[in-house]
Amino acid sequence: QVQLQESDPGLVKPSETLSLTCTVSGGSISTTNYLWGWIRQPPGKGLEWIASIYNGGTTYYNPSLKSRLSISVDMSKNQVSLKLRSVTAADTALYYCARDPVMVGAPSDGFDIWGQGAMVTVSS
Amino acid sequence: DVVMTQSPLSLPVTLGQPASISCRSSQSLVYSDGNTHLSWFQQRPGQSPRRLLYKVSNRDSGVPDRFSGSGSGTDFTLKISRVEAEDVGVYYCMQTTHLITFGQGTRLEIE
Repeated sequence: QVQLQESDPGLVKPSETLSLTCTVSGGSISTTNYLWGWIRQPPGKGLEWIASIYNGGTTYYNPSLKSRLSISVDMSKNQVSLKLRSVTAADTALYYCARDPVMVGAPSDGFDIWGQGAMVTVSS
Repeated sequence: DVVMTQSPLSLPVTLGQPASISCRSSQSLVYSDGNTHLSWFQQRPGQSPRRLLYKVSNRDSGVPDRFSGSGSGTDFTLKISRVEAEDVGVYYCMQTTHLITFGQGTRLEIE
């Protein structure tokens, strides 16, 4: 059974870079039928998609965050990583990683497995 | 960007009664392969979201059959035939035809 576990950076200072890692267990991240994504949820608010990556290659970014984002995979460690630069208090949120089934050449089917989430607070 | 608009944002329901949530997209969600990439999620209090339905009406494994999805183009609906206490939470629609966007969420509560 595939499980996802986000790292817990905790407190990040304004203007610094937020780094998150998602470790996948019970399955290989190199499987071709999945995207791996990040979603965030500010306290008391709704879900916002951040970025997704396909099999170590193709990346997709939320246009509103794209200039500050970088997503990557480390297949040797079975991990997906996210970096968000120049953070502000508005980036305070619960950050989830999730698996997104996809058929080659078609849009994905929506995140079917989620991690427990990692709470990130941006504060000095 | 595709905007997903849900209504209502708050939904008080009596146990055993039906419930319905609407989700409208600012663009058609039909892809060139003929499929419509619209999914629904449930987020119970204190839990991670859980996918209920994908491609409009395909129920995920373990999802009770009282949950159903319908719609086409830009207009979609999640229906719960008889609400149970465990259904309390926030429901989100999400489209993946044009990148990814979520609706604002609909909070279902028992009245």
